[in-house]
Amino acid sequence: NAGVTQTPKFQVLKTGQSMTLQCAQDMNHEYMSWYRQDPGMGLRLIHYSVGAGITDQGEVPNGYNVSRSTTEDFPLRLLSAAPSQTSVYFCASRTSLGTGELFFGEGSRLTVL
Amino acid sequence: GNSVTQMEGPVTLSEEAFLTINCTYTATGYPSLFWYVQYPGEGLQLLLKATKADDKGSNKGFEATYRKETTSFHLEKGSVQVSDSAVYFCALSPQGGKLIFGQGTELSVKP
Repeated sequence: NAGVTQTPKFQVLKTGQSMTLQCAQDMNHEYMSWYRQDPGMGLRLIHYSVGAGITDQGEVPNGYNVSRSTTEDFPLRLLSAAPSQTSVYFCASRTSLGTGELFFGEGSRLTVL
Repeated sequence: GNSVTQMEGPVTLSEEAFLTINCTYTATGYPSLFWYVQYPGEGLQLLLKATKADDKGSNKGFEATYRKETTSFHLEKGSVQVSDSAVYFCALSPQGGKLIFGQGTELSVKP
């Protein structure tokens, strides 16, 4: 059982470049989300989705786009990368019911020069 | 609004020492409370949880009690090991909603 899989694990971009962070889960979870982790700031929610075709903004959505065409996949797109987006990104999923326990991927470290 | 505040790190302890990491929260209603742990180079994983007042969550020797009167969920372990070195995150979920994290506390345990 793979759980939540993120790719790539590491990426270096130049300012203005675009890229997509991939996230896939094989647990048939309805809820998926993206967080960024920065020193001293914990994890902050970027975008989330409660099911295929439904997405919503989190705490820090600016500069990021998401889509949810299938239950399994939830890609995060950076259309024009900025140095402020240098961070570690985590994808997480859970069932729609229950008490909020999340299952996390291993993270993607992004550096924007 | 909903928020979580943790004690600042890093916390450095010797093996077999007693551990407390403080966590307090602000929330409306009756949130569920969690401790997540992040080992070096890995994603977060659930350590323990409590879903109502006075519940005690426990796992791998760690414990935390949901104290509504003091709005706290402090993490404790009686005897830490080197393998417990990690970053610990307190979090709350307001009645099944989005998870809100504290800033994390780094623990380093020396032999």
